[in-house]
Amino acid sequence: SQQGEEDPQALSIQEGENATMNCSYKTSINNLQWYRQNSGRGLVHLILIRSNEREKHSGRLRVTLDTSKKSSSLLITASRAADTASYFCATDAVQGGKLIFGQGTELSVKP
Amino acid sequence: GAVVSQHPSRVICKSGTSVKIECRSLDFQATTMFWYRQFPKQSLMLMATSNEGSKATYEQGVEKDKFLINHASLTLSTLTVTSAHPEDSSFYICSARDSSKVGTEAFFGQGTRLTVV
Repeated sequence: SQQGEEDPQALSIQEGENATMNCSYKTSINNLQWYRQNSGRGLVHLILIRSNEREKHSGRLRVTLDTSKKSSSLLITASRAADTASYFCATDAVQGGKLIFGQGTELSVKP
Repeated sequence: GAVVSQHPSRVICKSGTSVKIECRSLDFQATTMFWYRQFPKQSLMLMATSNEGSKATYEQGVEKDKFLINHASLTLSTLTVTSAHPEDSSFYICSARDSSKVGTEAFFGQGTRLTVV
């Protein structure tokens, strides 16, 4: 399969708690990107981490990248009900220039 | 940020008819656009890479005669689902990347929900 794997597939937490999602991939990459999708809508870009970076922050988001393990994690701190959505990692492969998406994590934040 | 406009957002068609979906980059040029398909509760599956001025590159298992892609200009790509069947019902999403910026984020259209009856 061209897709990477994400875990967990579904995550349910209370407001204020942190949410961690993991992504593994198979090919060599230029960068890895995280996207958010609300039900039945398009995707919104959250953060991009390049292959020579190990960690990146953006507001309440923290992304790590371990190219030796071909894995990445997305941490959302102090979650809010509005964070409820599906989250996808996408790898930008060295060859081809196309984005390949992981299976996604469905996050539910309960107020 | 950059904007990608996808139209229509929702379409219902009869079996056997064809449906065209448009994807436009509004404020940047895109030599390459991508078409994805998404089933409920599933991830995005890349269908094809649309190349301006040349033939599209289809992923394995995607019928090129059924899903016709045309990338006539640097800001417009179209996907035509020909002779649609109920199993073609799905959410189709396009994305585009700014040709002048290598290795950056992709921008997505809002998607088209196709229902074939």
